[in-house]
Amino acid sequence: GENVEQHPSTLSVQEGDSAVIKCTYSDSASNYFPWYKQELGKRPQLIIDIRSNVGEKKDQRIAVTLNKTAKHFSLHITETQPEDSAVYFCAASWNTGFQKLVFGTGTRLLVSP
Amino acid sequence: DTAVSQTPKYLVTQMGNDKSIKCEQNLGHDTMYWYKQDSKKFLKIMFSYNNKELIINETVPNRFSPKSPDKAHLNLHINSLELGDSAVYFCASSQANKDEQFFGPGTRLTVL
Repeated sequence: GENVEQHPSTLSVQEGDSAVIKCTYSDSASNYFPWYKQELGKRPQLIIDIRSNVGEKKDQRIAVTLNKTAKHFSLHITETQPEDSAVYFCAASWNTGFQKLVFGTGTRLLVSP
Repeated sequence: DTAVSQTPKYLVTQMGNDKSIKCEQNLGHDTMYWYKQDSKKFLKIMFSYNNKELIINETVPNRFSPKSPDKAHLNLHINSLELGDSAVYFCASSQANKDEQFFGPGTRLTVL
C-alpha cells in the first residue's frame, strides 16, 4: 500500500521568511496530492492540491511542486505570517471515484514575529 | 450552515464501555470517511462509505463498527473501549469524482 513520508517534523521560521515542507510517496499509481493545514484544536482544512498531470501549482503565497519521477512533492510558503503557524499534512491517493488518502506524519510550523 | 458536523465534541468514558459518535453532512456528498488522529497527530483513515456502502475498511479492530443509515450520516460505534482508543476521531465527506475532502470538527475520545 501507499506510504507517505514527510519532513521536517518541526520547522521554525521568522516572519517574512519562506518555509518548505517535503513529502515522498511510494505508490507510483498515486495521482492526487493535497496539503491540509490543521490549527490547534481545529479540523484539517485543504489549502492546496495538485494532480499528477501538473508539475506546479500556486495560490498567492503558497505553492506546491510535484516530481513524479522522484515521487516527491513539496509545499512552499513565502512571506510567512504568524497565522501560518499550524501543523501541515501532505497526503497522497489515487482517485477512482472515491479517495483513500494516506497522510504524512505532519510538520509543525512555527512562525515567530 | 453547510458543513460536516459531529457529536459529541468530547467524550470521556471508562474502559470496557460502548460508545457512539455521530456524523452528519449537509453538503450533498456521496462519500463519507472516518479518520483517527492519535496523540502524535498521525491521521489515519479507518472507514469509508459511498452511498451507504462500505468501500474502505482499514485494519481496524472489529470493536469498531461504522453504520451509514443514509448517505448524509455515518456513525461510529465502538465496543469494549480500550485505553489505546483515546484519540480524536474526524469524520469527512467528499463528492464522488471530486478531490476535496471536508472534515468535521472532530470528537476527542478519552478512555480512562
